[in-house]
Amino acid sequence: ILNVEQSPQSLHVQEGDSTNFTCSFPSSNFYALHWYRWETAKSPEALFVMTLNGDEKKKGRISATLNTKEGYSYLYIKGSQPEDSATYLCAFSEASNYQLIWGAGTKLIIKP
Amino acid sequence: EADIYQTPRYLVIGTGKKITLECSQTMGHDKMYWYQQDPGMELHLIHYSYGVNSTEKGDLSSESTVSRIRTEHFPLTLESARPSHTSQYLCASSEVYYNSPLHFGNGTRLTVT
Repeated sequence: ILNVEQSPQSLHVQEGDSTNFTCSFPSSNFYALHWYRWETAKSPEALFVMTLNGDEKKKGRISATLNTKEGYSYLYIKGSQPEDSATYLCAFSEASNYQLIWGAGTKLIIKP
Repeated sequence: EADIYQTPRYLVIGTGKKITLECSQTMGHDKMYWYQQDPGMELHLIHYSYGVNSTEKGDLSSESTVSRIRTEHFPLTLESARPSHTSQYLCASSEVYYNSPLHFGNGTRLTVT
């Protein structure tokens, strides 16, 4: 059974601080890794889709890296703001199936 | 501005009732999905479709059914609701490419009493 692990489960960060969290996935037969942001009472919103080992993506203060050989991706948020408070989900797909397998998310709370 | 719409947003219903959760998208996406999610848990795929008249069951065993008669519409039906169906149901759509991001609706939070 394929498994995607996200850590930590939750995270409290002071406004202005930078933070990062991890998504771990099976390292064999990799196809793509997705990151989504899910704010309370809203719908999940895609941040990045990454397909190549060593890939780095950036969107404003948020960036992500990908290591497919060891099976992990990091999401970084620089200078956290209250609007960054959300649950961050990652999902992995393998080349034989392509269906997304989701992690349980990292809940980020920014303290003013 | 949402391009994918789910109704109702919240639903409380008694055991044994038949319910249909609606999902429509205006982006012309061929692929559509239904996910089930309990608080703090992963999203689990229950149904998906690659286009009109195409429907498949996902990894999570479900007593629900879906139909895809029009590209934009992908309703999910529970013939006889049970308390075990209490959950959040998320609809999503994407372009045909396997690395396309998903676009989600706001979800339907279903409670079966």
